[in-house]
Formats: sequence, C-alpha cells, structure tokens
Amino acid sequence: QQPVQSPQAVILREGEDAVINCSSSKALYSVHWYRQKHGEAPVFLMILLKGGEQKGHDKISASFNEKKQQSSLYLTASQLSYSGTYFCGTPGAGGTSYGKLTFGQGTILTVHP
Amino acid sequence: GAVVSQHPSWVICKSGTSVKIECRSLDFQATTMFWYRQFPKQSLMLMATSNEGSKATYEQGVEKDKFLINHASLTLSTLTVTSAHPEDSSFYICSARRLGSGRQETQYFGPGTRLLVL
Repeated sequence: QQPVQSPQAVILREGEDAVINCSSSKALYSVHWYRQKHGEAPVFLMILLKGGEQKGHDKISASFNEKKQQSSLYLTASQLSYSGTYFCGTPGAGGTSYGKLTFGQGTILTVHP
Repeated sequence: GAVVSQHPSWVICKSGTSVKIECRSLDFQATTMFWYRQFPKQSLMLMATSNEGSKATYEQGVEKDKFLINHASLTLSTLTVTSAHPEDSSFYICSARRLGSGRQETQYFGPGTRLLVL
C-alpha cells in the first residue's frame, strides 16, 4: 500500500520553513526519505529506523512516529537547492516484500529567491 | 558514499527493437537491486527485484518476458526491454540495496535511463 504524502506541493521563498508529512495505513518499520530533482534520479536523504527517532542533515531533519504510522520531514531556512520532489519510502514487512520500498506520490517543493 | 551507475543515460530506438540497460554498484556489493519505472510527474513504480544468482521477482502486472532481468554478479544487473513499443517510453531507474549495521538498509539510485521508442 502506497504511503500518502502531504501536501502535494509547496512554494516557498528562500529562508522559509516547510514540513512534509508521510503517513501509512499499515505498520511502519522504517521510513526512507529521498529528494529528486527534475530529470534526475532520487538522492537518499535519511532513514529513520525506530519510533521517536529524529535525524538531521544540515537544515533538513525528520521525525518518525511509529505509533501514528507517520513521519515528517522538516526543511528549515530553505535554500534554492532544496527545490525538487520529495518522496518517502516505506519498506515491506518480510517474505517477498523484504527490502522493497513503496514510495509515496511525492511532494513538489519549489523555493524562489 | 555509495555510487550506482547506469548506462546508457538516453536511448532512442525504433519500435520492435530490444534495449539493454546496465546498472552497476561501483563501490559496494549488492546482492539485491531494484528496477523502477517513472512516468512524468508520477512516483517511482517498482517493476522487479533483481537477486544475484537467482531469478528476478516481478511486481504484479509487469511482464517478465518483456522485461528481462539478469543479475550476473554482485555489482551488475541488466534490464532488457524486448520488442520495445512507444508505450514503453519512460524513465527507468535502478537502485542497489546496501546493508548497514542493525536494520539499516538503504537503496542508492542510479542516474536513470530515459527510453524513447519511436
């Protein structure tokens, strides 16, 4: 089942903040976040492995609420380079689904000067 | 970092021809690689899981005879689109699964291959 991302699109000015949410209807074991720029392949941002975990990279951070089956990606003081489509990916539980990631529909982030 | 390469990056071919796309993990070994297809403004759709030394497993609705996958070594997987037709035109992306400590496993993506079938 595909995780649901919100919002679908965000438009910001440089320096503004944004939050992208990812929720799942099934139990989550981990959440992976990727960013894809137009015409390029997705680039790995971070993985959250357990409930309550928070991680950060530069001014991009994320949290994982295992009980609520959701994760949020926080972009602080956005830069022009943050523009792109952000995907969350959730793995399969096991068996033939092991290792597979199902991606959300993506959130398009546009940062203007 | 983990680097995955894909070749070619662009392919334009005539309808009915076969196209081979290579995916390589350059600085790590990957027993598992994945092949995705992405249409414009859409998410990544998993096509198949490529396992080194064994048959690939395909997602529902993906024709295994049309999309042939070979994972010949720990660093190379190939996807062959046989008898390509215009509806096969898409952005094909591979990823390689890298295992870390604990439960951490990450997929690193190749740069993608744009296929245009005329």
